[in-house]
Amino acid sequence: EDQVTQSPEALRLQEGESSSLNCSYTVSGLRGLFWYRQDPGKGPEFLFTLYSAGEEKEKERLKATLTKKESFLHITAPKPEDSATYLCAVYDNAGNMLTFGGGTRLMVKP
Amino acid sequence: NAGVTQTPKFRVLKTGQSMTLLCAQDMNHEYMYWYRQDPGMGLRLIHYSVGEGTTAKGEVPDGYNVSRLKKQNFLLGLESAAPSQTSVYFCASSFGQNQPQHFGDGTRLSIL
Repeated sequence: EDQVTQSPEALRLQEGESSSLNCSYTVSGLRGLFWYRQDPGKGPEFLFTLYSAGEEKEKERLKATLTKKESFLHITAPKPEDSATYLCAVYDNAGNMLTFGGGTRLMVKP
Repeated sequence: NAGVTQTPKFRVLKTGQSMTLLCAQDMNHEYMYWYRQDPGMGLRLIHYSVGEGTTAKGEVPDGYNVSRLKKQNFLLGLESAAPSQTSVYFCASSFGQNQPQHFGDGTRLSIL
């Protein structure tokens, strides 16, 4: 059974204070790892897909990286508008189901 | 660009009542999904469809039924609502397997 664990559960940062969010996974053959952002009262918004170890993707202040066991979402010089819950999810070789982690709630104070 | 639209946004039911949640997507996606999101449990897949006329069970299918009569629509039904089905329900769609899923903004359902 696939498992996805995100840490920390919650993270408070000051504006401009860079940090990283972790997503550890156990799957039977990774087909893809996805990062989403979720704002309160909204659905998850797609950010990145990573398919193989060593791959990196960037978007504005966010950078996602992937190893064989975990993925990191690096946030450089965050702003208050980056406050949200960040979700990690994986597809495995078995089929059509995306397995989600519990999320990291990020709060950036001005 | 509407993307994925869910109807209704909020609903309160009494135990034993039935209802249908509607999901519509305008991206010509083949795959559609229904999830529920509960505090401490994360997003869990209820049912999904890999194309018009097909449906399949996800992780937590009991108490729910689905239908995909048209490619753009995916319906989630609760035949006899129970308090344990109080949750936020999300619909998503994707071009295919292993592709990014795009989500609606959810239906908040309370069952008393």
